[in-house]
Amino acid sequence: AQKVTQAQTEISVVEKEDVTLDCVYETRDTTYYLFWYKQPPSGELVFLIRRNSFDEQNEISGRYSWNFQKSTSSFNFTITASQVVDSAVYFCALSATGGFKTIFGAGTRLFVKA
Amino acid sequence: DAGVIQSPRHEVTEMGQEVTLRCKPISGHNSLFWYRQTMMRGLELLIYFNNNVPIDDSGMPEDRFSAKMPNASFSTLKIQPSEPRDSAVYFCASRGLASSYNEQFFGPGTRLTVL
Repeated sequence: AQKVTQAQTEISVVEKEDVTLDCVYETRDTTYYLFWYKQPPSGELVFLIRRNSFDEQNEISGRYSWNFQKSTSSFNFTITASQVVDSAVYFCALSATGGFKTIFGAGTRLFVKA
Repeated sequence: DAGVIQSPRHEVTEMGQEVTLRCKPISGHNSLFWYRQTMMRGLELLIYFNNNVPIDDSGMPEDRFSAKMPNASFSTLKIQPSEPRDSAVYFCASRGLASSYNEQFFGPGTRLTVL
């Protein structure tokens, strides 16, 4: 069975602080994809990143970085120097390679205060 | 390129009425998904199609819900009769060939309110 756990329900930080959103997954598949999505207050779900299970290199995109560790089944997301516009719900998700279903975590609501 | 298109964006209806939500996936995508999002239950997968064929509808809550995909560029989710507990945001998402990439791209959602 597949499962995605985002243990942090809500996080509140002050602008310019760094923040890490945790994601732990469970799967029996040998190959899979991991994703992060952002849902700002406007409501749409925005795709942020895809990571293939073969590729454990960390990725950085501007203020965003992702740390994928297969050994601990984690795919954590760090926002450096957070901004108010980062306030949103962030979802981690998992999909087997070649599979149809994507399993979403419950989401972490991030509040960034000015 | 146009993203996933959903209509209407907002729907307010009375209990017992039929509601039809519409979705146009991204051109070239061959998988389509319907989700429902509520505060209580989070994001729930209702049904998904591959090449216009329903693959798994186990998430459809009741027989009042039905979904169709008559062609590669259009899908509907129908609720008949609607009930207040159906109030939620309904998202449609599409995805390209699984062998190439697995991420789903979501439409803006339809916010349904059943009075």
